[in-house]
Amino acid sequence: GESVGLHLPTLSVQEGDNSIINCAYSNSASDYFIWYKQESGKGPQFIIDIRSNMDKRQGQRVTVLLNKTVKHLSLQIAATQPGDSAVYFCAENMLPGNQFYFGTGTSLTVIP
Amino acid sequence: NAGVMQNPRHLVRRRGQEARLRCSPVKGHSHVYWYRQLPEEGLKFMVYLQKENIIDESGMPKERFSAEFPKEGPSILRIQQVVRGDSAAYFCASSPRSGGGGTEAFFGQGTRLTVV
Repeated sequence: GESVGLHLPTLSVQEGDNSIINCAYSNSASDYFIWYKQESGKGPQFIIDIRSNMDKRQGQRVTVLLNKTVKHLSLQIAATQPGDSAVYFCAENMLPGNQFYFGTGTSLTVIP
Repeated sequence: NAGVMQNPRHLVRRRGQEARLRCSPVKGHSHVYWYRQLPEEGLKFMVYLQKENIIDESGMPKERFSAEFPKEGPSILRIQQVVRGDSAAYFCASSPRSGGGGTEAFFGQGTRLTVV
């Protein structure tokens, strides 16, 4: 399944399928990006990050892709599991100021 | 991340009262960020502080809201004369140094403020 965070805030996928969550960031000067996972009633948890000098970074079952030309970030989750159900936020970090700006988020539901 | 401690977890205030939210960053972290989250919405930046200094408060409402991060003790987000619209989850994050260059921010579990 595929989702654009701003236009499709919910995404449902079958267990075992791959998920793709997209994010459009706002500032071409942003130099660092993070994907966070937020489960209900909890604070955001770090998933994976990527610097602006990279196009792709892989973690355990997750891959982040960065397209600076169109200011687009995506999170791919392989073999999605029920425990992956959560809201996923992308965050961009820019200088000066160093604050992180968060997107609206995409709610992922994994159907067993 | 369990290292960032926020208290209380839940706070109920009547309209007009003051709300005081506390955040103890990960040990050794000197950078603190506060965010507000409304139901079904994303995290909105409020303020970024270093020890004893406010670096960026561009996301803070001009009135009733203030934040501090003293040399000793937790960071405090203070909301005076609360109104129902202040009801939200407030999250604190900390990082060991400025975010530039790739430093992740660790989040606390949040304080859920309800104004009745």
